[in-house]
Amino acid sequence: RKEVEQDPGPFNVPEGATVAFNCTYSNSASQSFFWYRQDCRKEPKLLMSVYSSGNEDGRFTAQLNRASQYISLLIRDSKLSDSATYLCVVTVLNTGTASKLTFGTGTRLQVTL
Amino acid sequence: DTGVSQDPRHKITKRGQNVTFRCDPISEHNRLYWYRQTLGQGPEFLTYFQNEAQLEKSRLLSDRFSAERPKGSFSTLEIQRTEQGDSAMYLCASRDSGGRSTQYFGPGTRLTVL
Repeated sequence: RKEVEQDPGPFNVPEGATVAFNCTYSNSASQSFFWYRQDCRKEPKLLMSVYSSGNEDGRFTAQLNRASQYISLLIRDSKLSDSATYLCVVTVLNTGTASKLTFGTGTRLQVTL
Repeated sequence: DTGVSQDPRHKITKRGQNVTFRCDPISEHNRLYWYRQTLGQGPEFLTYFQNEAQLEKSRLLSDRFSAERPKGSFSTLEIQRTEQGDSAMYLCASRDSGGRSTQYFGPGTRLTVL
């Protein structure tokens, strides 16, 4: 079983739609959670951190359920420019260790006219 | 541009050849990571440096792979006797020493082994 699991998609949605991505993680010691965005043939870029209380950044809302080990990302009013792959990322923060990022396979979003 | 830089951006090589990639992190970042990404997958951790010390290596890093960060600034990743399965995007990331600080990625080196 992969440490971070995501539906690879693709999700094809019209402009203006609301779309939600889900992610589950298996390591209960995971402490920090992120969504990264990756455009085709580019490097991943941090979209937003995910906090237990849930957090919002403009049209993007992230939620975390530690009990279910589940993370979500909601995109409202989708734009053509939102077309990308969205990577769910977790990390374990321990002093002296790498705090390496563990990525899901990513969910591809295609927003159409 | 003060972001993470990587060189070369693309490398095509024949099976059995050695290749070396370079990463220049953001200047004040003392932590440096290498990841590998194959088509349709998320990046996978390879190795981690804190300053010049290599503190963690993934099982993915076979004995054909070696990484260095000699002065705690730039890093190199060498692959010896390349195999077709080594074809991937090799990503470098850096961050500062803050507990929850963000990792910033470079543009990657895309390796194709023929």
